[in-house]
Amino acid sequence: AQSVTQLDSHVSVSEGTPVLLRCNYSSSYSPSLFWYVQHPNKGLQLLLKYTSAATLVKGINGFEAEFKKSETSFHLTKPSAHMSDAAEYFCVVVGLFNTDKLIFGTGTRLQVFP
Amino acid sequence: GAGVSQTPSNKVTEKGKYVELRCDPISGHTALYWYRQSLGQGPEFLIYFQGTGAADDSGLPNDRFFAVRPEGSVSTLKIQRTERGDSAVYLCASSQLGTLAGDTQYFGPGTRLTVL
Repeated sequence: AQSVTQLDSHVSVSEGTPVLLRCNYSSSYSPSLFWYVQHPNKGLQLLLKYTSAATLVKGINGFEAEFKKSETSFHLTKPSAHMSDAAEYFCVVVGLFNTDKLIFGTGTRLQVFP
Repeated sequence: GAGVSQTPSNKVTEKGKYVELRCDPISGHTALYWYRQSLGQGPEFLIYFQGTGAADDSGLPNDRFFAVRPEGSVSTLKIQRTERGDSAVYLCASSQLGTLAGDTQYFGPGTRLTVL
């Protein structure tokens, strides 16, 4: 079965410092992976997606993620955090090959301090 | 253009009552999804429509939950005999052709259901 594990429930950084949000996946085949962001009282927004093309994926707002098959990881990074990055981040995998459902991790809450 | 909209934004009901939650997808999107997000958790899949038909309803927790999409556009999630454990944010998403076709799922703001 497909699944994702987000290794940190909370991450705190200072503004201007790098961000690292960790995600490991479990998949019986080459997965499609996503990162979504959820700001308070707003809908989920797609940050980036990996669909077996380039292993380094660039997303919106300066975020990027690298697919590492050997480590079964898909960590999200950003070189310099901004106050507006404070939100909940979800690592997501598509379900089995014959279904469209998304399987979400439990989320990582990112706090950014001035 | 307009995104996915959901009504109502908040719904408070009493245990045992029936509720309907509505989703208006992005115009022209053939795929529509319902998820449920409990406090402190990630969204969990409930059901997925391709056009008018339910392509995958494996996430519906029991037979009190039912969803329809009669004309392939608007969808309604129906919950009978609500229980306190049904309290959650119900999210709707739509996609032009579907995730397996490489399309993104766009999410609505959700309906917060509270069962007293």
